[in-house]
Amino acid sequence: DGGITQSPKYLFRKEGQNVTLSCEQNLNHDAMYWYRQDPGQGLRLIYYSQIVNDFQKGDIAEGYSVSREKKESFPLTVTSAQKNPTAFYLCASRSDGNQPQHFGDGTRLSIL
Amino acid sequence: AQKVTQAQTEISVVEKEDVTLDCVYETRDTTYYLFWYKQPPSGELVFLIRRNSFDEQNEISGRYSWNFQKSTSSFNFTITASQVVDSAVYFCALSPIIQGAQKLVFGQGTRLTINP
Repeated sequence: DGGITQSPKYLFRKEGQNVTLSCEQNLNHDAMYWYRQDPGQGLRLIYYSQIVNDFQKGDIAEGYSVSREKKESFPLTVTSAQKNPTAFYLCASRSDGNQPQHFGDGTRLSIL
Repeated sequence: AQKVTQAQTEISVVEKEDVTLDCVYETRDTTYYLFWYKQPPSGELVFLIRRNSFDEQNEISGRYSWNFQKSTSSFNFTITASQVVDSAVYFCALSPIIQGAQKLVFGQGTRLTINP
């Protein structure tokens, strides 16, 4: 089935450790996005990519990094510089034009 | 700056009641899109509707309907004859209509609980 797959579903990070969240899509979508959701709040944009080998910072990019080496993959690294990483992370993608974004199931990141 | 406000943090109703979720937005763009997404307990966001700023016609899809009023910058969502399966967090979102990135600005969400 076509869709967006995020893994792992749950992730734990130790202090000072970098962790990478996976996002893969088989929808042949050009654009991909990473959002962060905190309890009781809406989603905030971390990074987005409109094409392979290109990406831009969103509203809260500090402490995060991404890569877009393949059209179907857009991994997010939460670095040790992100002091408050505990949150629910959602990946999204969309096709050309102004089609709506479609979302994965999310990864819940917690600090040990 | 763009902003979306969903003033209702939580709503609880009994099954079969009608319920309206409010969404008010602020933008300086003359053209923009408005969206509603549903987030069930499983976590993913499910797309419900997209409406562009040119079209103020109300839309109905089964038990769901949307009322877009540009004069009051509102895009409200009504569920008629609610069902337990409608329980979820609902988000309203806004983006400008431009070529390129679709940078969504989300409201805080409204948690809707439908009690049997």
